[in-house]
Amino acid sequence: SAVISQKPSRDICQRGTSLTIQCQVDSQVTMMFWYRQQPGQSLTLIATANQGSEATYESGFVIDKFPISRPNLTFSTLTVSNMSPEDSSIYLCSGGTGNYGYTFGSGTRLTVV
Amino acid sequence: AQSVTQPDIHITVSEGASLELRCNYSYGATPYLFWYVQSPGQGLQLLLKYFSGDTLVQGIKGFEAEFKRSQSSFNLRKPSVHWSDAAEYFCAVGRGSNYKLTFGKGTLLTVNP
Repeated sequence: SAVISQKPSRDICQRGTSLTIQCQVDSQVTMMFWYRQQPGQSLTLIATANQGSEATYESGFVIDKFPISRPNLTFSTLTVSNMSPEDSSIYLCSGGTGNYGYTFGSGTRLTVV
Repeated sequence: AQSVTQPDIHITVSEGASLELRCNYSYGATPYLFWYVQSPGQGLQLLLKYFSGDTLVQGIKGFEAEFKRSQSSFNLRKPSVHWSDAAEYFCAVGRGSNYKLTFGKGTLLTVNP
């Protein structure tokens, strides 16, 4: 299975600023996703990161708030824009090649103050 | 729409005791079902998955799960729990060929010595 390196592992940010989270996969993967895990909650899918094209967002998530890039088959970024305390969560990326063989990054714990 | 219910928010067992974590799903088609484990500060690790065939699925770390279509359930079991199994466990259902996952809210497992 692919190994995903995600960074930063944690950050404390001021409201109104933006944070970019990076995920690097050690092999090419066809599918990459970004999830949010709010405190005490389950994982909610934010979007599918599409290589070379705009990400596909789930209901309730918009590109202006969570812009995503995926320039190639091994790398993706998620930006959390204009942050508020409600954005404090763990953000995780996952990736794999079909058949649901997904690996998850270790997550980014974001606190907005 | 698909959904996953994990009825038990928190379970405590003694080391060496057997374990069963419950998962019920709602999905209109043949489900792809998964169990993931998340240790503190870590990403998610896939324990096992069910696509089709034998309804008893073996996974890593001595875990198994049984798919029961009539009960819409996919319960996770382990005959003898180890202290290192203490973690949060998530059940998930896959949504067809777009490979998106819907997660349950998780069950936190505490293991007493």
